[in-house]
Amino acid sequence: DAGVIQSPRHEVTEMGQEVTLRCKPISGHNSLFWYRQTMMRGLELLIYFNNNVPIDDSGMPEDRFSAKMPNASFSTLKIQPSEPRDSAVYFCASSLKAGGASTDTQYFGPGTRLTVL
Amino acid sequence: AQSVTQPDIHITVSEGASLELRCNYSYGATPYLFWYVQSPGQGLQLLLKYFSGDTLVQGIKGFEAEFKRSQSSFNLRKPSVHWSDAAEYFCAVGTYSGAGSYQLTFGKGTKLSVIP
Repeated sequence: DAGVIQSPRHEVTEMGQEVTLRCKPISGHNSLFWYRQTMMRGLELLIYFNNNVPIDDSGMPEDRFSAKMPNASFSTLKIQPSEPRDSAVYFCASSLKAGGASTDTQYFGPGTRLTVL
Repeated sequence: AQSVTQPDIHITVSEGASLELRCNYSYGATPYLFWYVQSPGQGLQLLLKYFSGDTLVQGIKGFEAEFKRSQSSFNLRKPSVHWSDAAEYFCAVGTYSGAGSYQLTFGKGTKLSVIP
């Protein structure tokens, strides 16, 4: 299996621009997570989908952040407009939630390093 | 709310020496527990996990961890460290809310340096 795929790996943009990060989860996985990693705050869960439906978006910092999962094999995280404080590494992870016997083990992608100037 | 504490920000050991990375969690019930490793510029790789049963779990790369309920700890150990183990290690706890929402909460990480 190719694992979780994220694109782009690096993104440099200017303040005010729209940024779209993409994620392809592991085939067959039905849960998808977006995280943000910074030196100051560590790893933070932003939003979590189960069967393409957003379950918990309480970690999304502001209305400038939005995430979608139009199908089981693709998700996007959009920041509009971007600000310098959004600079971070954004990780996508997926897992197989199989009812009561769920393993809930998350597998992470390589991340997208975002720099907002 | 659940929390994870990794008290050591940075640890340096000599190659061949034993290693123990500490992790304490706060949660009202028995959580799912994980250790991940992150090499520079890379994503997080799962080392091992504990859900139930035997409190000593074996993972990849020769790592093991022991769940101690009385101490709310899940320390990671390796008997002999290799230079390639230099990385950042994250402990995490997985919990469900009453609404069924699942969350993985990470510690701040411990950076491991290995002296040849």
